[in-house]
Amino acid sequence: AQKITQTQPGMFVQEKEAVTLDCTYDTSDQSYGLFWYKQPSSGEMIFLIYQGSYDEQNATEGRYSLNFQKARKSANLVISASQLGDSAMYFCAMPRGGTGRRALTFGSGTRLQVQP
Amino acid sequence: DGGITQSPKYLFRKEGQNVTLSCEQNLNHDAMYWYRQDPGQGLRLIYYSQIVNDFQKGDIAEGYSVSREKKESFPLTVTSAQKNPTAFYLCASRTGSSGNTIYFGEGSWLTVV
Repeated sequence: AQKITQTQPGMFVQEKEAVTLDCTYDTSDQSYGLFWYKQPSSGEMIFLIYQGSYDEQNATEGRYSLNFQKARKSANLVISASQLGDSAMYFCAMPRGGTGRRALTFGSGTRLQVQP
Repeated sequence: DGGITQSPKYLFRKEGQNVTLSCEQNLNHDAMYWYRQDPGQGLRLIYYSQIVNDFQKGDIAEGYSVSREKKESFPLTVTSAQKNPTAFYLCASRTGSSGNTIYFGEGSWLTVV
């Protein structure tokens, strides 16, 4: 079964600095995907970035990039130039049983606080 | 606008009562999901449905029931058998293509009083 581990319950970062949120995973699938979501205090889940296991390059979306190290089974989220609005919970997730329409398994999350 | 609509946003339930949380999507997505989130925790899968008239139990299905009579709708009933139902409930949906994003509704807060 898939397992996602986020070892940082909370992180602080100064505004305009970069921050890395850790995510390690365990799967026996050869093909899989990894997702990152942001959850502000309002509760909605906002999709940030996706990485496929066979993608040749690390995924990037604006200020978000994914440091994907397949051999280490890690998919860390890097947020560059942090903004106050980045303060939120961040969740790493992957599909249960490969890709397709499978539900996602989520990590326990990291609470990021951006300080002015 | 296309999206996922959950209602109600806030719901209070007396012990022993069943309540139903609504989830409607107009994204033409095949698969729909229900998650539960406790304060400061990650999301746990309750039920999911990959096609109309079919659904599967997730990790914490006890005390919950669902139906999928229409593609657009996936209501969740929290029954009196659920011993600790106070939580935040999130509905999500996804197309059939691999790698596609799962989109979430805005969630429903359920409190037992």
